[in-house]
Amino acid sequence: AQSVAQPEDQVNVAEGNPLTVKCTYSVSGNPYLFWYVQYPNRGLQFLLKYITGDNLVKGSYGFEAEFNKSQTSFHLKKPSALVSDSALYFCAVRDGKLIFGSGTRLLVRP
Amino acid sequence: DTGVSQDPRHKITKRGQNVTFRCDPISEHNRLYWYRQTLGQGPEFLTYFQNEAQLEKSRLLSDRFSAERPKGSFSTLEIQRTEQGDSAMYLCASSSSDSMNTEAFFGQGTRLTVV
Repeated sequence: AQSVAQPEDQVNVAEGNPLTVKCTYSVSGNPYLFWYVQYPNRGLQFLLKYITGDNLVKGSYGFEAEFNKSQTSFHLKKPSALVSDSALYFCAVRDGKLIFGSGTRLLVRP
Repeated sequence: DTGVSQDPRHKITKRGQNVTFRCDPISEHNRLYWYRQTLGQGPEFLTYFQNEAQLEKSRLLSDRFSAERPKGSFSTLEIQRTEQGDSAMYLCASSSSDSMNTEAFFGQGTRLTVV
């Protein structure tokens, strides 16, 4: 069965510093991976996706993600964090429907 | 295009009552998904449709839950004989095709509180 894991419940980073939110996956066949962000009391917003091709995927709001097949990882990154990036981040894999990880809370302190 | 719309945004009900939620997907999208999310957790898959056909239903889903998409447009999710454990955010999403590389777009959810 397809699954993703987010090993960190929370990530803390200072504004202006780079951030990484980790995700590992387990799939049979080609992985179709996604990142979503959720602000308080809101639905999920799509950030980016990996299908095939370049291992570095660029998305919305300056986020990017690095696909690593050997490490079965799809980590979300941003070179310079903003306080407004503070939110819940979910990694997901497509298996007909989307299967989500447990989420990582990102806290960016001023 | 107004995005995925869910109604109501909030629902408070007494235990044992039935509730029904509505989801209007993005108009040209033929896939529609329902998820449940509890505080601080990832969305849990409930069921999804392609047009009017219900393609998959989670094994975790009690038979008190039923969903329909009769004309392949809007969908309803009904919970019968609600229990306190049903309190959660119910999210609807839609996507434009069954292609594996297509992202889904989410509504803002219906928050259910069972008292």
